[in-house]
Amino acid sequence: DAGVIQSPRHEVTEMGQEVTLRCKPISGHDYLFWYRQTMMRGLELLIYFNNNVPIDDSGMPEDRFSAKMPNASFSTLKIQPSEPRDSAVYFCASSFGTFFSDEQFFGPGTRLTVL
Amino acid sequence: DQQVKQNSPSLSVQEGRISILNCDYTNSMFDYFLWYKKYPAEGPTFLISISSIKDKNEDGRFTVFLNKSAKHLSLHIVPSQPGDSAVYFCAATNSGGSNYKLTFGKGTLLTVNP
Repeated sequence: DAGVIQSPRHEVTEMGQEVTLRCKPISGHDYLFWYRQTMMRGLELLIYFNNNVPIDDSGMPEDRFSAKMPNASFSTLKIQPSEPRDSAVYFCASSFGTFFSDEQFFGPGTRLTVL
Repeated sequence: DQQVKQNSPSLSVQEGRISILNCDYTNSMFDYFLWYKKYPAEGPTFLISISSIKDKNEDGRFTVFLNKSAKHLSLHIVPSQPGDSAVYFCAATNSGGSNYKLTFGKGTLLTVNP
């Protein structure tokens, strides 16, 4: 398996622009997670889905952030409008299990820079 | 506010010696703990975990110790190798909770010198 795939790997944009990050989870995994990593706050969970349904979005910082999972093989994280403080590395992860599973598989991340 | 704390941002050790990475947590509902390793430009990868019903779990060179009364866990790497140089994240969860989410620390950068 190719693992979790994220695109783009790097994104540079200007303040106010819309940014869309993409994720393809590992086939067969029924949980998908979006994380953000910053120096100040470390690795934070933004939102996670189970069977394409958002379960917990309490980590989404503001209404400018939205996430969708239209099918089992694709998810997007959108920021509109983007701000410089959104600059971070965004990770997507997936896992399998109807009960707690101890391993989440992470993608390589998208490094977002908002100028 | 941080429920999982890794108070050492960095650690440097000599090859062959022991590396000890520490993690503290404040939420008494946490009962399952994990360590992830992250190389530059890659996503974190799972390393080892421990349930609160145990106080030690070992996997090869890696051992995690849990002290529930102190709300403290540590990862021991023996012997340390240059390839172990990475950022190590501690994570915790309440496995019996309705939310399936991991709370991560900020990470510790381990450098193993040849």
